[in-house]
Amino acid sequence: AQSVSQHNHHVILSEAASLELGCNYSYGGTVNLFWYVQYPGQHLQLLLKYFSGDPLVKGIKGFEAEFIKSKFSFNLRKPSVQWSDTAEYFCAVNAVRAAGNKLTFGGGTRVLVKP
Amino acid sequence: GAGVSQTPSNKVTEKGKYVELRCDPISGHTALYWYRQSLGQGPEFLIYFQGTGAADDSGLPNDRFFAVRPEGSVSTLKIQRTERGDSAVYLCASSLTGGLTYEQYFGPGTRLTVT
Repeated sequence: AQSVSQHNHHVILSEAASLELGCNYSYGGTVNLFWYVQYPGQHLQLLLKYFSGDPLVKGIKGFEAEFIKSKFSFNLRKPSVQWSDTAEYFCAVNAVRAAGNKLTFGGGTRVLVKP
Repeated sequence: GAGVSQTPSNKVTEKGKYVELRCDPISGHTALYWYRQSLGQGPEFLIYFQGTGAADDSGLPNDRFFAVRPEGSVSTLKIQRTERGDSAVYLCASSLTGGLTYEQYFGPGTRLTVT
C-alpha cells in the first residue's frame, strides 16, 4: 500500500520569505499527486495537481510543485509568502491502477506566516 | 453555488451508542467519498460511491462502520457501538464523476466525539 510522508509538521516564517514543503511517497508505479490546503475555519481545497507531462506544476495563489520521479517527491514551493498563506497543507497521492480513486494523504504541515 | 454540506457539524455521543453522519454532495456530482481525519493526521480514506453503489469500501476499519447512498445523492455514514477511538472529524467529498481528473470538493466535516 502507498504511504505519504511530509517532513515538517510545523513551519513558522515571516512574510516575503520563501516556502518549501517536502512530500515523499512510497509507491513504485504511476501516481497522481495533489496538494490540498485548509485555511483556518475553512474546508480542504485543492491547491494543485499533477497527472502527467511537465513535472513543474503551477497552482493557485502563486504556489507550484515539482514532481521528481527518481526521488519519489512532490515538494510544494512559493517564492514569497503572505500572511494569508497561514494554513495547513496536505500532500496526497493516488496510486494509478492500484488504488482506484482513493487518495492517501500525508500528515499535513501547519504553516504560520508572521506579519 | 452550494458546496458539500455535512450534518451535524458536531456530534457528542457515549461509548456504545449508534450515530449517523450525513453528507449532501454538490448537485450533479455522481462520485462521493468519505474520509476520517484523526487529530494531528491527514484524512484517511473510508469509502467511495459511484452513484448508488459503493465502488470501494476498503477503507472502512471494521464492520461497525457502514455507509449508504440509496438515491445516488445524499449519503449517510453509520457507526454502530461507537468506541472512543472513533473520535475524529469525518469528511465527505464529492466530484463530478469518479475519475481523478475531476477535483474532489470537501465539506466542512462532522466532528465526532465519543465519551
